[in-house]
Amino acid sequence: QKEVEQNSGPLSVPEGAIASLNCTYSDRGSQSFFWYRQYSGKSPELIMSIYSNGDKEDGRFTAQLNKASQYVSLLIRDSQPSDSATYLCAVKGANAGNNRKLIWGLGTSLAVNP
Amino acid sequence: NAGVTQTPKFQVLKTGQSMTLQCAQDMNHNSMYWYRQDPGMGLRLIYYSASEGTTDKGEVPNGYNVSRLNKREFSLRLESAAPSQTSVYFCASSDLGSTQYFGPGTRLTVL
Repeated sequence: QKEVEQNSGPLSVPEGAIASLNCTYSDRGSQSFFWYRQYSGKSPELIMSIYSNGDKEDGRFTAQLNKASQYVSLLIRDSQPSDSATYLCAVKGANAGNNRKLIWGLGTSLAVNP
Repeated sequence: NAGVTQTPKFQVLKTGQSMTLQCAQDMNHNSMYWYRQDPGMGLRLIYYSASEGTTDKGEVPNGYNVSRLNKREFSLRLESAAPSQTSVYFCASSDLGSTQYFGPGTRLTVL
């Protein structure tokens, strides 16, 4: 089992719909979680970080964290064609050996169709 | 604020040649990282430096060396390039091992 898992997609949604991206992680001690967006040919850029159970909203983006179930999700409301990208989930290592590193999922490709 | 800068942006090498990828950050971050990204493989950590003066191996360190020159700069060296090292290389920096900020990447082809 990979430490951070995401569906590879592609996830295809119509413009204006809600896109839901999911990520599960294996280390129950993890405390810090990140969503990055990566456009084709570009570097990853941070969308949101979340540290506490529940929802965190920033504009059209909402991150949801459930530590008991070990999953974190990203909702994109009113999806736009410009949201078409690969979304990477990252989890900060929990123990002394890896707490300076992020553990990355392989990413979910999102296509928003006009 | 330039953030994280990388040079060069593109490079083509022949098998056996050597080169150094340069990375610099102006955010006063303690930690710096080198990743490679290949289709279907995601981001894989090559080496990282948790703080000035320290370096540690990541997931795929073979064939690479690093130098943390000072707090700002972290270089990645390929001593004898191989076609398997054809990839996109990203440098990143962070404070307290948390949010990482990425440079624009170097696209390396080894023939």
